[in-house]
Amino acid sequence: AQTVTQSQPEMSVQEAETVTLSCTYDTSESDYYLFWYKQPPSRQMILVIRQEAYKQQNATENRFSVNFQKAAKSFSLKISDSQLGDAAMYFCAYSFFTGANSKLTFGKGITLSVRP
Amino acid sequence: EAGVAQSPRYKIIEKRQSVAFWCNPISGHATLYWYQQILGQGPKLLIQFQNNGVVDDSQLPKDRFSAERLKGVDSTLKIQPAKLEDSAVYLCASGNSGQRSRYGYTFGSGTRLTVV
Repeated sequence: AQTVTQSQPEMSVQEAETVTLSCTYDTSESDYYLFWYKQPPSRQMILVIRQEAYKQQNATENRFSVNFQKAAKSFSLKISDSQLGDAAMYFCAYSFFTGANSKLTFGKGITLSVRP
Repeated sequence: EAGVAQSPRYKIIEKRQSVAFWCNPISGHATLYWYQQILGQGPKLLIQFQNNGVVDDSQLPKDRFSAERLKGVDSTLKIQPAKLEDSAVYLCASGNSGQRSRYGYTFGSGTRLTVV
């Protein structure tokens, strides 16, 4: 079974600084996707960034980038120029690509606070 | 495109009562998921539908939980009778998991259930 581990329950960052959130996963598959989701108090699960396992290039979305280490099964999220609106819970998630039967497996999440 | 709609937003019931949640996925998304998210944890998959058929319900407590997806569009999740440990946020998601270029999942805002 696939598992996703986020070992840091909480992190804090100063506004405008950079922070990195860690995630490791375990799978025997070679074709999969990894995601970072943001969940603010509104509970809406918002996609931050997506990485396809067969792509060696790390995904980037504006201030958000990942460090994908496939051999180490590591998938960290870097947030640059942190903003107050970045404060939320962040979840790392894994999905084995099987077409229609794909599903997301989540980590336990990390609470990120941003200090003004 | 319109998002995933869920209702109600909040629900408070007494233990042993019944409750139902409704979800309307993104148009054209064949796959629909119900997740249970207990406070401070990552979402856990309860049931997955492909059109109106069940793909995975292995973690659904079938003695009290039921779900249906009539006509392959809207879905309803029911709990009867509710227990205190069912207090959680219930998230509905729909997926475009058949196409790599558009692979992803979209979540609704969730229903926060409190059982007292």
